[in-house]
Amino acid sequence: QSVLTQPPSVSGAPGQRVTISCTGSSSNIGAGYDVHWYQQLPGTAPKLLIYGNSNRPSGVPGRFSGSKSGTSVSLAITGLQAEDEADYYCQSYDSSLSDYVFGSGTKVTVL
Amino acid sequence: EVQLVQSGAEVKKPGESLKISCKASGYSFTTYWIGWVRQMPGKGLEWMGIIYPSDSDTRYSPSFQGQVTISADRSISTAFLQWSSLKASDTAMYYCARRIATAGGYYFDYWGQGTLVTVPS
Repeated sequence: QSVLTQPPSVSGAPGQRVTISCTGSSSNIGAGYDVHWYQQLPGTAPKLLIYGNSNRPSGVPGRFSGSKSGTSVSLAITGLQAEDEADYYCQSYDSSLSDYVFGSGTKVTVL
Repeated sequence: EVQLVQSGAEVKKPGESLKISCKASGYSFTTYWIGWVRQMPGKGLEWMGIIYPSDSDTRYSPSFQGQVTISADRSISTAFLQWSSLKASDTAMYYCARRIATAGGYYFDYWGQGTLVTVPS
């Protein structure tokens, strides 16, 4: 059972906006630790998508954005494209577990 | 260019030992922690442990403490993950990843391509 909870799946038509939530607790997200997001395309290794809640590494398209407000964290994909079909994971740090914790993962399907 | 290149897929029998590797290049190997992440078939990502190659300081997730050993060889810029006695439940893809530390926490910016370990039951 993952420490961070994500919806199992979200879907949208090309060009639409989808969001993925990531819910934690007072020992991770609620404690003020940053949230980071990874994209895992089918059959490949995870790739850093968003770091520090809302920052995009060089090369990540601007249609990906992250936000954190209090204990509410989300990843948004604006202008969904077929190549965005992948699994997405949030990640943070948990001070009570002294663990790097991942979300349960969300599969994004482009209709 | 930062790269983490992992050793190839392995098929082992239950009870056998195994050591897989993660060779780093393109940056100072001793400056960053390297972590290992497990992904069981069709499942999510689980952090296993992490090592600081400069002094081999190692931390393990409680879930993996005693089950695996993480090490590093600075002379060849390589981190290792090893098992002394494999079980069928160790069948998974294993990734190494470089850790970045910030004031707000930690994340993994570069990942290896993964090593598939298969232990048929």
